[in-house]
Amino acid sequence: DAGVTQSPTHLIKTRGQQVTLRCSPKSGHDTVSWYQQALGQGPQFIFQYYEEEERQRGNFPDRFSGHQFPNYSSELNVNALLLGDSALYLCASSLAKSNSNQPQHFGDGTRLSIL
Amino acid sequence: GEDVEQSLFLSVREGDSSVINCTYTDSSSTYLYWYKQEPGAGLQLLTYIFSNMDMKQDQRLTVLLNKKDKHLSLRIADTQTGDSAIYFCAESMDGGATNKLIFGTGTLLAVQP
Repeated sequence: DAGVTQSPTHLIKTRGQQVTLRCSPKSGHDTVSWYQQALGQGPQFIFQYYEEEERQRGNFPDRFSGHQFPNYSSELNVNALLLGDSALYLCASSLAKSNSNQPQHFGDGTRLSIL
Repeated sequence: GEDVEQSLFLSVREGDSSVINCTYTDSSSTYLYWYKQEPGAGLQLLTYIFSNMDMKQDQRLTVLLNKKDKHLSLRIADTQTGDSAIYFCAESMDGGATNKLIFGTGTLLAVQP
C-alpha cells in the first residue's frame, strides 16, 4: 500500500524563477492538502484540493497555485520565487467523508532552497 | 482565533515516561492530533482524539484532553532512543469537511541513553 509520495525530494532555484512540486496521494485517498514548513516552525496550511477544485486556502499570496488531476494527484506551483519561500513543502492526503474523521497522512516533503 | 502552543524542548532518560504538552485556543476544535517528525522526514501520524473524549490509549501512547482548559498532552511510556524527534500537536476545526490542520511549533524530544 503506497503512502503519499512527493517529487522531487530536493530542489534549488533562484529568485524570480517558478517551481512545480508534485504529489501522489495514498492509495484510496481523494483529497490533497499542501503545507509549507519553514525551518524551526510547524507546517502552515497553503490550500486543499478535492474533486479537482481548490476547496480552502490559507494565508498565502496568489503566487501559490495548485492543481488536482483526475487520478487525485496534485501539483503545487509557486511563481516569482522569493528567498522567504525556502522551506519544506509537505503534501498530505485524506479521504473526504462527511460522517467520520479522516486523518491526513503526510509525504516526506520537497526541500526547496532559493538562492 | 487559531493558535496552538507547545514547549520547545524536553529531555528524558531512556526508560522514563515523557509528557509533551500543548494548548490550543479554538474551542470549536473537533479533532486534535499528534504527529512525529524525524530529521529530514515528513510527518508521521501517531494518534488523534475527538474533542468529546478525555483520554485515548494506544500501546505506549496516552493522550489526555482537558477541553475546559484547552490542554492536550501526549505521554510516551518507556521512552526509547528511537522516540527522539520533534512532536507536533495539531487541531482541526472542520472535522469531516476540509480538515485543515493548525500546527504548533513542535517540541523536540531528546532521549538520553
